[in-house]
This record gives sequence, C-alpha cells and structure tokens, in this order.
Amino acid sequence: DVKVTQSSRYLVKRTGEKVFLECVQDMDHENMFWYRQDPGLGLRLIYFSYDVKMKEKGDIPEGYSVSREKKERFSLILESASTNQTSMYLCASSLSGDRAGNTIYFGEGSWLTVV
Amino acid sequence: GEDVEQSLFLSVREGDSSVINCTYTDSSSTYLYWYKQEPGAGLQLLTYIFSNMDMKQDQRLTVLLNKKDKHLSLRIADTQTGDSAIYFCAESKRTTASKLTFGTGTRLQVTL
Repeated sequence: DVKVTQSSRYLVKRTGEKVFLECVQDMDHENMFWYRQDPGLGLRLIYFSYDVKMKEKGDIPEGYSVSREKKERFSLILESASTNQTSMYLCASSLSGDRAGNTIYFGEGSWLTVV
Repeated sequence: GEDVEQSLFLSVREGDSSVINCTYTDSSSTYLYWYKQEPGAGLQLLTYIFSNMDMKQDQRLTVLLNKKDKHLSLRIADTQTGDSAIYFCAESKRTTASKLTFGTGTRLQVTL
C-alpha cells in the first residue's frame, strides 16, 4: 500500500519560531511537493523537488524553504513563522516523467497554527 | 496565468445525481483531474481526462469536458452519504504533467 507520511498532524507554534514539517514516502518516487490548503483558495504549490537536492519554487514560496537530502524525505521549513502561515500543509509525491496518470499521492496533512 | 475556478458548495439529496463544475483559463491545459478530500484526510485521485477526450465514465462517475468553453464537470450518479467531501478540479500541461494547478474545491453535502 502506497504511503506518504507527514509526521506531525497538528502543531501550534509561536510567531518567530523556526518550524520543520517532515514528509516521508515509501514508493521510491522522484517527485515530491509541498502545498498549502486554505478555505476558498484551494491548494497552492509552495515548492517541489524532482530529485535529491533539487528544488523548484512553486506559486507561493515566500517565507518557506525546503530540503531534500534523501529521496524519500522532503522537509518544509518556516524560518520565522508568522500568523499568516497558519494553514493546512499537504505533502505529495509522484513518479518522474510527464505523463498524466503518474498519480500524485497525498499525505494526510499537517495543521499548523501560529500564535 | 493559470486559473481554475469552482463553486464552493453543493448540496444534494441521497440518491440524486450531483454535478460539480469547474472552469479553467489556460488553453494549453492537457490533463484535467478530479480529486476527492474526505474530512481530515489528504487528496485522493478520482479520475482524469486528456484534453483530446470529451467524456470519460467510470462506474458512478462521468467526466465531461468542453474544451471550447474550458469547462469540466464531474457527475456522480446515485449520490451517497459517503460521497460527502470536498472535490477539487486540477489541470496540468503535457510538458509539466507533474505540476498541477488546483481549483478552490467544492464542498459536496449529501442530505437524507
């Protein structure tokens, strides 16, 4: 059974704290993604990675960075958390190659509240 | 830029058909997808359609694509309470098929 695991489901952090959101996939996928989901805005891509140590900015990278040191792990980092980063964060992964039907598998999400 | 729009909410009675609509602006969109998100869970791929198709059917699900109007719909026949969820429309292009642009999501409420 395919699995994308986000280690923290619910976090509460203070403004200015450094926050790490971890994601691990066990499918040997090349591509990994971080999205944030907000009501009325849908999912917006923050960063994605198509290989180890490779990363590309998505649509809303400001205030975030990522790390992909190993193929199975993709970390999202908030260097200095702010209240407008309170959101649900979704990690996803897929095989490489530009074919539809390379199903993108999602984790269950991490709810982050910044106070 | 790319834009994918959906209405935010739909309520239907159990046993009726649900039709969830989506419009997109990018004419170079090549693949169009429907995802389902149940409460407290991530997104699950329901179905996808290539832009050179106009219809795809899979059991209770029918996807219709009007490429001229850039309109995509998902019809769920005999809607059940277990179909209550948020449904996301998404699009991607052939050259970047892994990068999806998602709509705002439509919350489907199924009433008894």
